[in-house]
Amino acid sequence: QKEVEQNSGPLSVPEGAIASLNCTYSDRGSQSFFWYRQYSGKSPELIMFIYSNGDKEDGRFTAQLNKASQYVSLLIRDSQPSDSATYLCAVVVSWGKLQFGAGTQVVVTP
Amino acid sequence: GAGVSQSPSNKVTEKGKDVELRCDPISGHTALYWYRQSLGQGLEFLIYFQGNSAPDKSGLPSDRFSAERTGGSVSTLTIQRTQQEDSAVYLCASSFDGNTEAFFGQGTRLTVV
Repeated sequence: QKEVEQNSGPLSVPEGAIASLNCTYSDRGSQSFFWYRQYSGKSPELIMFIYSNGDKEDGRFTAQLNKASQYVSLLIRDSQPSDSATYLCAVVVSWGKLQFGAGTQVVVTP
Repeated sequence: GAGVSQSPSNKVTEKGKDVELRCDPISGHTALYWYRQSLGQGLEFLIYFQGNSAPDKSGLPSDRFSAERTGGSVSTLTIQRTQQEDSAVYLCASSFDGNTEAFFGQGTRLTVV
């Protein structure tokens, strides 16, 4: 079982719609969770972090964490073509290792 | 520094040569990570430092790969006897304490010819 799992996509989203990305993790002791965005040929860029159960909103982004279900998600509201990228879920697993999922490619269509 | 700095940005080397990649983390960050990303692939974990110690070296692909960190700051990733399959972008990231947000450098693109 992979430590962090994501659907690879591509996830096609009409402009203006909500993109919903999901991530599950295997280490029940994990406490820190992150979402990164990576454009082609660029380094990953942090867009959200969440440490507590529930929702966290920042602009058009909402991160949701459910530790009991070992599930973290990212919602992108009012999706724009500039949101087209690969979104990486990252989890701090045991001993401080920051483990990434394989990423979900999002394509926002005008 | 203001951000994570990696050098060189690009490196072309001949098969069989040794290369050193450098990472200068954000000042005050105790945790430092190295990842490898091949074209079109995800991030492959290589090694993680907390201070000068490396609690997890499990991701190093072979004994040709080694890394060190001195003074709790700069880290060097060394690849000996490079092979064509080592061609990739090598990314470094740092975080304040290993449990908070990590920030990436711009990466080193290594090409082995």
